[in-house]
Amino acid sequence: EIVLTQSPGTLSLSPGERATLSCRASQTVRSSYLAWYQQKPGQAPSLLLYGASSRATGVPDRFSGSGSGTDFTLTISRLEPEDFAVYYCQQYGSSPVTFGQGTKLEIK
Amino acid sequence: QVQLVQSGAEVKKPGSSVKVSCKASGGRYSISWVRQATGLGLEWVGTIVPALGTTYYAQKFQGRVTMTADTSTNTVYVELSSLRFDDTAIYYCARDVSGRGNSPWGQGTLVTVSS
Repeated sequence: EIVLTQSPGTLSLSPGERATLSCRASQTVRSSYLAWYQQKPGQAPSLLLYGASSRATGVPDRFSGSGSGTDFTLTISRLEPEDFAVYYCQQYGSSPVTFGQGTKLEIK
Repeated sequence: QVQLVQSGAEVKKPGSSVKVSCKASGGRYSISWVRQATGLGLEWVGTIVPALGTTYYAQKFQGRVTMTADTSTNTVYVELSSLRFDDTAIYYCARDVSGRGNSPWGQGTLVTVSS
């Protein structure tokens, strides 16, 4: 099983700042099958990025993803108030599908 | 636009079973089930591919979980048996888009296991 470790656990930033979230895998993620999800309180997760760097439909271009192999990054170039949420990475290239434990992005 | 609508909240006794449904608008899709205990992270339960009649379950749930599909109504089901207190969670269904992650997600179904 591929274990995904996200860091930091909590990130405190202000609107307008840049956010960098990390996801590290215990083994190579096949074909960069790495996705990022955003979850707001009381809501289901929502897909942001897939294939490590491709934005899902309707996702603003301030969200970007990079990485391959075992190290992946989600960057939010300029934080908007609605971006403060919990973010999860997921690998879906190997069974079982696994998720990171999440990074909480909170307003400083 | 694809929408997934799940059945309502359930309260079950330990040792019993629960069956949650997920109805898809607009077609027949591969569906994954993911659960989330209160305040915790996301855990993959399994995936059903109705077009192929195949299922993939997380080893943790093998023997306790069954996923089925009714292709006439584009509805998929997950049934979890021998419920334990730690099965209390929100169960989400999500469309599995080949190579592109899971989107959209259903609204979630709270399953509470309580004596």
